[in-house]
Amino acid sequence: GQQVQQSPTSLVLQEGENAELQCNFSTSLNSMQWFYQRPGGSLISVFYNPSGTKQSGRLTSTTVIKERRSSLHISSSQITDSGTYLCAMESNYNVLYFGSGTKLTVEP
Amino acid sequence: DAGVTQTPRHEVAEKGQTIILKCEPVSGHNDLFWYRQTKIQGLELLSYFRSKSLMEDGGAFKDRFKAEMLNSSFSTLKIQPTEPKDSAVYLCASSLRQEVFFGKGTRLTVV
Repeated sequence: GQQVQQSPTSLVLQEGENAELQCNFSTSLNSMQWFYQRPGGSLISVFYNPSGTKQSGRLTSTTVIKERRSSLHISSSQITDSGTYLCAMESNYNVLYFGSGTKLTVEP
Repeated sequence: DAGVTQTPRHEVAEKGQTIILKCEPVSGHNDLFWYRQTKIQGLELLSYFRSKSLMEDGGAFKDRFKAEMLNSSFSTLKIQPTEPKDSAVYLCASSLRQEVFFGKGTRLTVV
């Protein structure tokens, strides 16, 4: 069954607004990672965050292992933030299981 | 530092052909993954190697898909014979400890 539930499926923001993306896991996880992808582009690692909170510029990732969830917060969104954000959980071995992604569109 | 390198970037094949996709992982990484990405299914694991040993072979993809890793710096994914439903982006990734790095992918179109 589906191990990674990601929400929302899509999100449209006005430039400057904040975004909160969520991932929930149906099984226990060893670590998780957030990726960013532009249309036709490659997967770029945004955060590797097994647990706790990490911040990088306007992006903050919080993973709570016990609650089997992770979130990605984007503050003061910019047009260049548009793209698809994917979360991935690592369970056994180092294999990543991906969510279906959140398509973010930031409009001027 | 070179990242994960995949060739070719684009491939067009006729139904029934054999195609081979190539991947060079990040130097020193001992885990290598092949994924397939489509709009409908998202990212699906095809194969996983650890230190050149096949750890997972992606179940449903066994019959026509074969990944090999003959040395620690090179892997291939063979699809034989290709079918139109194989049209997708094929991604190779590598990792050393846990953070995973992806290549730019090969876009395969089967006509």
